[in-house]
Amino acid sequence: ETGVTQSPTHLIKTRGQQVTLRCSSQSGHNTVSWYQQALGQGPQFIFQYYREEENGRGNFPPRFSGLQFPNYSSELNVNALELDDSALYLCATHDRRGGETQYFGPGTRLLVL
Amino acid sequence: RKEVEQDPGPFNVPEGATVAFNCTYSNSASQSFFWYRQDCRKEPKLLMSVYSSGNEDGRFTAQLNRASQYISLLIRDSKLSDSATYLCVVLDTGFQKLVFGTGTRLLVSP
Repeated sequence: ETGVTQSPTHLIKTRGQQVTLRCSSQSGHNTVSWYQQALGQGPQFIFQYYREEENGRGNFPPRFSGLQFPNYSSELNVNALELDDSALYLCATHDRRGGETQYFGPGTRLLVL
Repeated sequence: RKEVEQDPGPFNVPEGATVAFNCTYSNSASQSFFWYRQDCRKEPKLLMSVYSSGNEDGRFTAQLNRASQYISLLIRDSKLSDSATYLCVVLDTGFQKLVFGTGTRLLVSP
């Protein structure tokens, strides 16, 4: 196990609602990245947090937002949910100072109806 | 053009077979490369990093050809437990973000 945890494991929402997903870093990992994986696709980078600030963003609209807390854990918030937001949401953590290997949590499977 | 391209498969092979996956990437400045394995409905897990000199881990061998911007993964003596999706991954060093291919699905049958 990587030590990266995510909650909840599964979630069902309806269009227009808002959702918050949570990620706890592996011990010593100061950087959290979020990815969206649609069915049959590879994960797509949403954004990354380092030192509680957004440190890079992929091609996702502003309704995808996030936070990082002093203990390095992180939240992903999605407003005004759309059907296409249905996906597996993965967080990955690493130590920015020490290496490139990113370790993934088990993911949150979101279904938007 | 996609940043990382892979044949989605599926590759259907019998136990004991040797199978090879290929991947190409578009950013010639990329420096770090990986293969991740993903089981159905699970998170990706690092299988191995890929170095210019090539590297081997048991039955798995990864190769990098920078001139052709091409990465490969060879699996020898396939096991049933090797059935999974194999993701080719390139690190974008600017943001330290991982750029994934769509994955290649492998099915190993008895």
